[in-house]
Amino acid sequence: QKEVEQNSGPLSVPEGAIASLNCTYSDRGSQSFFWYRQYSGKSPELIMSIYSNGDKEDGRFTAQLNKASQYVSLLIRDSQPSDSATYLCAVYTGGFKTIFGAGTRLFVKA
Amino acid sequence: DTAVSQTPKYLVTQMGNDKSIKCEQNLGHDTMYWYKQDSKKFLKIMFSYNNKELIINETVPNRFSPKSPDKAHLNLHINSLELGDSAVYFCASSQVSRNSYGYTFGSGTRLTVV
Repeated sequence: QKEVEQNSGPLSVPEGAIASLNCTYSDRGSQSFFWYRQYSGKSPELIMSIYSNGDKEDGRFTAQLNKASQYVSLLIRDSQPSDSATYLCAVYTGGFKTIFGAGTRLFVKA
Repeated sequence: DTAVSQTPKYLVTQMGNDKSIKCEQNLGHDTMYWYKQDSKKFLKIMFSYNNKELIINETVPNRFSPKSPDKAHLNLHINSLELGDSAVYFCASSQVSRNSYGYTFGSGTRLTVV
């Protein structure tokens, strides 16, 4: 069974701090990795995608991928209260199938 | 102009009824999906269609039947609704032919079976 694991949280950080969200996956052959943000009562929104080892930066967000360790992370710099949401890690495992983690709830305190 | 639109947004119905949820995307994507999100927020794939062809049919009761009349539409019909069917159902789309596997989600349909 292919799995994606995330700490459910909640992860609480003060405003302006760096929030670090982690994810591990079981399928070593996976090639595409995504982070979605989901506000309460809303649909998931794609915020980052990463395909190769290393870091990918987009504004205040940095995604990190380590395929050898089967580990994906998302860093949010200068965290804002508006970043409070559930962050879903997703892994494309091939065959049109994407597996989602259960999500990490992030709370940014003003 | 909404990229992926689902109707209805809320659906409250009695056990045993039959209901449908509709989804339309105007992104020109070639692949559409149905996901179920339970009370613990876990998103689980149900079905996937690529160019109107059923590609993924996960282990869901056969009371659930998807239909894709064309690439832009994917509907979900549910027969004989049960209490356990209560969840949020999300439609999503992606452009797999361009190796773009990130999803655009619809706003979701919150189904409550009473």
